[in-house]
Amino acid sequence: KAGVTQTPRYLIKTRGQQVTLSCSPISGHRSVSWYQQTPGQGLQFLFEYFSETQRNKGNFPGRFSGRQFSNSRSEMNVSTLELGDSALYLCASSFGQGTSTDTQYFGPGTRLTVL
Amino acid sequence: SQQGEEDPQALSIQEGENATMNCSYKTSINNLQWYRQNSGRGLVHLILIRSNEREKHSGRLRVTLDTSKKSSSLLITASRAADTASYFCATGNAGGTSYGKLTFGQGTILTVHP
Repeated sequence: KAGVTQTPRYLIKTRGQQVTLSCSPISGHRSVSWYQQTPGQGLQFLFEYFSETQRNKGNFPGRFSGRQFSNSRSEMNVSTLELGDSALYLCASSFGQGTSTDTQYFGPGTRLTVL
Repeated sequence: SQQGEEDPQALSIQEGENATMNCSYKTSINNLQWYRQNSGRGLVHLILIRSNEREKHSGRLRVTLDTSKKSSSLLITASRAADTASYFCATGNAGGTSYGKLTFGQGTILTVHP
């Protein structure tokens, strides 16, 4: 079974631009979660989508948004990029049943650099 | 915000030795998962332990969970140079505002010297 894939793997943008990252979950998984990883703040939860609906959202400004398609693929968008948005963005997929055994499987991440 | 602390922040050992990492958390949980990350790459899932379990094994890995102390430990036995990585604990809950959300510790950087 193929793992979680993320594209692109690396991105360089300038302040003020916007960016879209893509995530394809493991086949059969309906939940996709997004995380931001920085040296200072560590791994922080951005949001989660299940069956095209956002079920949960972390404490990030409205510049961070996402969506999920009917095939469970997900995208996240960051508008008006700031230097502090430079990070590794990770997505994870799971069955999304919200049970005690719901394991999240992570993709390789997208490294975003904002200049 | 982070759920809790991992201890130690860094651990350096020789091949063949055992490595123990500890994780503490603050709120009640449904499950706790351990992940490994190599050099800023994606996270690799190692093991999940549910809140009603006390110990779990997977190959050279042993995880314990003490919900009364809100703590967990990961033991890697007979370590290898390939085990060099950062290790994170992550807590999860079921349903409601916890859907799809794992709360991570700061991680332990493990270095295994050949």
